Amino acid sequence: DTAVSQTPKYLVTQMGNDKSIKCEQNLGHDTMYWYKQDSKKFLKIMFSYNNKELIINETVPNRFSPKSPDKAHLNLHINSLELGDSAVYFCASSRPSGGADTGELFFGEGSRLTVL
Amino acid sequence: DQQVKQNSPSLSVQEGRISILNCDYTNSMFDYFLWYKKYPAEGPTFLISISSIKDKNEDGRFTVFLNKSAKHLSLHIVPSQPGDSAVYFCAASVVGGGADGLTFGKGTHLIIQP
Repeated sequence: DTAVSQTPKYLVTQMGNDKSIKCEQNLGHDTMYWYKQDSKKFLKIMFSYNNKELIINETVPNRFSPKSPDKAHLNLHINSLELGDSAVYFCASSRPSGGADTGELFFGEGSRLTVL
Repeated sequence: DQQVKQNSPSLSVQEGRISILNCDYTNSMFDYFLWYKKYPAEGPTFLISISSIKDKNEDGRFTVFLNKSAKHLSLHIVPSQPGDSAVYFCAASVVGGGADGLTFGKGTHLIIQP
């Protein structure tokens, strides 16, 4: 009974292709995120969605587009894949920080994308 | 610009001894700090946290210390066990910052030797 699940876990594709990674959380959280862990091992935030509204877009290329059909899902679409997009992408969810909530994140297992 | 820094990429500690992982931050707005643990092929999992109003938080074998004036925090694990071998990420946030998420360090790979 995984709290945050993402698919696929591994994805190998050619440059120029379009791909999607799906994420679902069953924690009832209001906010979902996409993080990218690149070859230098940094975990960097890409997007967050709160009640279907994009809150953050940290200078991510517009080839990346998050899609949230409902509060429990946040999918990541990537168009025209480039070699530099190869990374591990982590989905996460949280209650927004404030009051007693600290914004602790719950992560999925990650999706390793390899662009050839 | 790294707002959260973990300057040791790896750390090797003998089983039973104390492991000390360090983290420095530059953003004085951060007021909540967390440690995450990550095993290979898994997502990071929350380990322990500390608010800036405290200087110490303890949970079993894990203790986090915060030195606000030095903008430094550390995670102590004692005694270290083989299952503690993992990558540890330091993270920071601004409470009340809405859905800004967490800013992570680069991680320290802790290796517990038998």
